[in-house]
Amino acid sequence: SQKIEQNSEALNIQEGKTATLTCNYTNYSPAYLQWYRQDPGRGPVFLLLIRENEKEKRKERLKVTFDTTLKQSLFHITASQPADSATYLCALLNTGGFKTIFGAGTRLFVKA
Amino acid sequence: NAGVTQTPKFQVLKTGQSMTLQCAQDMNHNSMYWYRQDPGMGLRLIYYSASEGTTDKGEVPNGYNVSRLNKREFSLRLESAAPSQTSVYFCASSTGTSLYEQYFGPGTRLTVT
Repeated sequence: SQKIEQNSEALNIQEGKTATLTCNYTNYSPAYLQWYRQDPGRGPVFLLLIRENEKEKRKERLKVTFDTTLKQSLFHITASQPADSATYLCALLNTGGFKTIFGAGTRLFVKA
Repeated sequence: NAGVTQTPKFQVLKTGQSMTLQCAQDMNHNSMYWYRQDPGMGLRLIYYSASEGTTDKGEVPNGYNVSRLNKREFSLRLESAAPSQTSVYFCASSTGTSLYEQYFGPGTRLTVT
């Protein structure tokens, strides 16, 4: 069956450092991969989408890479700030873009 | 714009009771979705509606029914609630094209005793 794995353990980093989160998947060939941010008690908020034929996508302090051979995406937050503390979800989409599969998320804590 | 709204915010049901979760969006989006989120399991798709007039099953549809009432509204019904349906339910909408960006509502926390 299709499976997405994100680091279940929380990631603790110091303010100003780069946070790197990992998303691995098996038994799936997604057309798109997305990253969302979720704060406690709230719904997820879309951050970035990367397509299967793209290697890297950037948006401000965020960078996403997508390796379809390794079946892995890396999500980087550079110059991290305490306000970046949240849970980050990886999501895979099929060609139609409707049937989305989400990972369980990785909790990030950025210390001042 | 209110974005995606959900009612109620909290609900407690007894086993066997029924209820409907309401969702509405004011962004003129074509597609709408219902997810449940359980600790350690991430969001799981229950049903989705690619466009007005269509609905399709997601990953975990058993025990649920949906209605796409019009372009704005998409409701989720539990006919006979079970403790296994205790969860946080999120509604989302998207244009269905381009970035496939989903906009989520604030969620409904449902407890079935």
